[in-house]
Amino acid sequence: DTEVTQTPKHLVMGMTNKKSLKCEQHMGHRAMYWYKQKAKKPPELMFVYSYEKLSINESVPSRFSPECPNSSLLNLHLHALQPEDSALYLCASSQDWVGELFFGEGSRLTVL
Amino acid sequence: GIQVEQSPPDLILQEGANSTLRCNFSDSVNNLQWFHQNPWGQLINLFYIPSGTKQNGRLSATTVATERYSLLYISSSQTTDSGVYFCAPQGGSYIPTFGRGTSLIVHP
Repeated sequence: DTEVTQTPKHLVMGMTNKKSLKCEQHMGHRAMYWYKQKAKKPPELMFVYSYEKLSINESVPSRFSPECPNSSLLNLHLHALQPEDSALYLCASSQDWVGELFFGEGSRLTVL
Repeated sequence: GIQVEQSPPDLILQEGANSTLRCNFSDSVNNLQWFHQNPWGQLINLFYIPSGTKQNGRLSATTVATERYSLLYISSSQTTDSGVYFCAPQGGSYIPTFGRGTSLIVHP
């Protein structure tokens, strides 16, 4: 069983909707990540939080807004998405900057 | 950033066969992970291996950091081994960089 929990597992939204993806870990990890994965491609890094501060933003469009309310939680707020944003969104955590990465099961997003 | 090449890109095996997957990387690394992504999208940790050899059941991995490659060995393959295998080295930035993966199909 994964110790990184993502909700929802599936999400369908229209281009005018606002929704959020949630990620939770209880391993005491201090680094958390959002990755985006399109079909038949490797995961692509979006954001990294370290000690609850945004450390890396890989030039992600502002329609994706990350939030780290505390060391166990990571959210990804979605607004005015495009159909090409449909993908598997993966959350991961690691002990700190240097450490083994653990992934959640992912949230599969479809934008209509 | 670090460049990662995985080979072969696709592999088809009969159940019971052995295989070797390769990961080449362009720069020195602090660490390297191997993952298995199952058909449902779950990324499962296989090995966290900066150097040397580790074994876990039918799987083993070897990283030769000085020569900038890692190998994943799968012995006596099973249909449940099907999926995509990714290597993800961590270079100077400490952020894992994923290769394009090896897609494995194991037929019964």
